[in-house]
Amino acid sequence: GAVVSQHPSRVICKSGTSVKIECRSLDFQATTMFWYRQFPKQSLMLMATSNEGSKATYEQGVEKDKFLINHASLTLSTLTVTSAHPEDSSFYICSARDGIEDQPQHFGDGTRLSIL
Amino acid sequence: GNSVTQMEGPVTLSEEAFLTINCTYTATGYPSLFWYVQYPGEGLQLLLKATKADDKGSNKGFEATYRKETTSFHLEKGSVQVSDSAVYFCALSDRNVDTGRRALTFGSGTRLQVQP
Repeated sequence: GAVVSQHPSRVICKSGTSVKIECRSLDFQATTMFWYRQFPKQSLMLMATSNEGSKATYEQGVEKDKFLINHASLTLSTLTVTSAHPEDSSFYICSARDGIEDQPQHFGDGTRLSIL
Repeated sequence: GNSVTQMEGPVTLSEEAFLTINCTYTATGYPSLFWYVQYPGEGLQLLLKATKADDKGSNKGFEATYRKETTSFHLEKGSVQVSDSAVYFCALSDRNVDTGRRALTFGSGTRLQVQP
């Protein structure tokens, strides 16, 4: 089946650090990738949608300059949390889908980000 | 707008008990419906899906039927195992009327705990 690899799985760093999270589709071409944020015991909240080779589309309330998304190829999207602060600590999950909109999204294993 | 409502957890069952997790939805169009499962510390895995009314999705002993008349997609399993302990998310995929994009809308998740 479709596999999405997300790296790293856990990051602990100091306040003010920028953190990059990678999301790769291993066996299919991910025309569209999604980035979600999940708070403890809550559901996933969509942060942004990215299509290969174009700028990401951010959901309302998500700071574009804070959460930089680059979808440079059909197999890789990156999320960079710039100048991270403790309130950015969360579980970040990516997903990917091929070009067919009706197909389900395939999720990575998530990245737990802890900012001290 | 679109929304998904799930029964609150946690749901605690003994091994081999019958499981039902209720899910109802509100959508403006003709959504596809999904159940995802999230094991501790991991991302989401697609469990099953249904794309049109009266479709039944099934996988690993779980099943759910797309009921348009009651706008429901309840998850069932005849005999749960300890290994089924996880958080289950009901979701719908529909085109956003404002953005024109197809995106997933998740329920809040239901934690299932199966005791030996």
